[in-house]
Amino acid sequence: DGGITQSPKYLFRKEGQNVTLSCEQNLNHDAMYWYRQDPGQGLRLIYYSQIVNDFQKGDIAEGYSVSREKKESFPLTVTSAQKNPTAFYLCASSGSGRIADTQYFGPGTRLTVL
Amino acid sequence: AQSVTQPDIHITVSEGASLELRCNYSYGATPYLFWYVQSPGQGLQLLLKYFSGDTLVQGIKGFEAEFKRSQSSFNLRKPSVHWSDAAEYFCAGPLSGTYKYIFGTGTRLKVLA
Repeated sequence: DGGITQSPKYLFRKEGQNVTLSCEQNLNHDAMYWYRQDPGQGLRLIYYSQIVNDFQKGDIAEGYSVSREKKESFPLTVTSAQKNPTAFYLCASSGSGRIADTQYFGPGTRLTVL
Repeated sequence: AQSVTQPDIHITVSEGASLELRCNYSYGATPYLFWYVQSPGQGLQLLLKYFSGDTLVQGIKGFEAEFKRSQSSFNLRKPSVHWSDAAEYFCAGPLSGTYKYIFGTGTRLKVLA
């Protein structure tokens, strides 16, 4: 079955640690996205990538970093510079990265800072 | 500025009753609009999408939405709600000229038995 997988489902981070969230898709989609979801705030875009080896900052990129070395993979690193990282993180992909392409979402990773 | 607004944070309906969730948009040109559903602790699932043409769009799970340009609305409807429809619903659309989506803040639906 084609789809988007995110791992781990739950992640705990200590103060000062960097952590990496995995996102893999086997839909052969060109574009991939990372969103942060907080209660009552909807989804906010962290980073997006339209093609391999290229990515752009979204609305809340500070304290986060990404890479796009392979078409199917778009890992997100939450660095120690992110002061309030506790949130639900969603990865998405869309076919060609064209405007208004439908985005498909993974199951999410819940990150908690201890 | 472009925006997607969901005026209702919470809605409660009885099982079997009809449902309408509101979405208002602010766009210059003809918008592309989507409705997604999210169960607790899960990702978002696409319910339906409007690109152009027929203003009444059918989706999965018995949902439909109607695009009304005169009212700048794209409301989601279901004639008879089931307990399994309890979830959070998001309206979204792409920011004009970009690949970025604008999401509404969501409406949480509670279904009473």
